[in-house]
Formats: sequence, C-alpha cells, structure tokens
Amino acid sequence: EVHLVESGGGLVQPGGSLRLSCAASGFSFGNYAMSWVRQAPGRGLEWVSGISGSGGNTYYADSVKGRFTISRDNSKNTLYLEMNSLRAEDTAEYYCAKRPAFGAGYFQNWGQGTLVSVSS
Amino acid sequence: DIQMTQSPSTLSASVGDRVTITCRASQSITTWLAWYQQKAGKAPKLLIYKASTLEIGVPSRFSGSGSGTEFTLTITSLQPDDFATYYCQQYSSFSPLTFGGGTKVDIK
Repeated sequence: EVHLVESGGGLVQPGGSLRLSCAASGFSFGNYAMSWVRQAPGRGLEWVSGISGSGGNTYYADSVKGRFTISRDNSKNTLYLEMNSLRAEDTAEYYCAKRPAFGAGYFQNWGQGTLVSVSS
Repeated sequence: DIQMTQSPSTLSASVGDRVTITCRASQSITTWLAWYQQKAGKAPKLLIYKASTLEIGVPSRFSGSGSGTEFTLTITSLQPDDFATYYCQQYSSFSPLTFGGGTKVDIK
C-alpha cells in the first residue's frame, strides 16, 4: 500500500526558511514523478512544484520560482521542498503527491499534509 | 497557463439526488482531466482520470465525461459519504498543472 508522510511544517517568520520532507513507502519511489501541492486555509488546491523520478527535471509554479527548491533522495525514499524567503501568502497545508507510473500529470496518491504558517 | 473554471461553487443537494458539476478549460485539454474529492481536514482523493476513467475502488455512481474544454462530473444517487468538495485538474500542460476552484456539495 502506498504511504506518503509529510513532516517539517511549522510557524516561521516572514523571510524565513523551512524544509519539508515526504517519506514514501509501498512503491518503487525512484520510478515515479512526485509533486508538492498546497492549500491555503479555506482556499483551493495549488500545484507548487514537481520532480521527475530520477530528479533530473524539476518544475515550479511562478509564485514560488526562485524561492523554493524541490529535490529527492531515492536511496532514502524521500521527497523534499526547501522553502526560502517565505511570505504570508505561503501559509498553507502542503501535500506531497505521487503521479502514476506512465507519467500522466494527475495525482494518484496524497500524503496527509503538513501545515506551514508564515507570520510574525 | 491553462485556467480551469468550475461551476457551481456551491451546490445544495439531498441524498438520492443526481448531481452534476461542470469544469471548463481556457483552451483545449483533449481528455487530460482528473477529478478529486476532498473532505474537510483530509487530503484530496482521486476519483477519475482521463476525463472518464474511474480510479480503482471508486463507486460506480461517479462518472465523468467531456473533451476539449468542457467536462462534467456526475454523481447518480448522492450518498451521505459524498458530501465534500470536488476539484477538477488539467494535466495537458505540465507546468503549471492547474486546478479548478472547487465545488462544495452540501446538504440541502
């Protein structure tokens, strides 16, 4: 069974940094593209960033480009999101999500989320 | 970027009702569309991909249709477990992947 567990969220001041992790199990992690999707309180879903199975290709929403970095360690079955220069508008629940094997861009499995709050 | 617009934003219905949610794309996405269900405080759950293919384990009362720019999610005979928020998502363009604004189905 696929299991995705996010961690690393918390309260951070504007301009601060945070690193999120997503521990994966139940599948061959390195064979699957992964993404981070966030949801601000009371709002809809927003794709944030994606990475190929090998880690060689990365993608970012314009709203986080230059501030966030997605990476993965396939030997540890873990996905990361390094977040710098955080703003109040980055406050959200952050989900890691697994794409299907054949590369389609929808999300077959989701973690339970980790909450990031940016406030002074 | 491809914009996704859902309607209505809120829908009040009763158990047993037939419910239809519409999702429109700002340009053709052929059938590269997924639907998700999200309950309060929980992660989204995939219901349908490629516009009309039901994910394994999803009840057959859920169905999807459409192509190009207009899509629908239909729930025949709404069940108590179906009261939730539903999102569409296009994956024709990978960067960025975009979601609709959501449709909340609540109890009439």
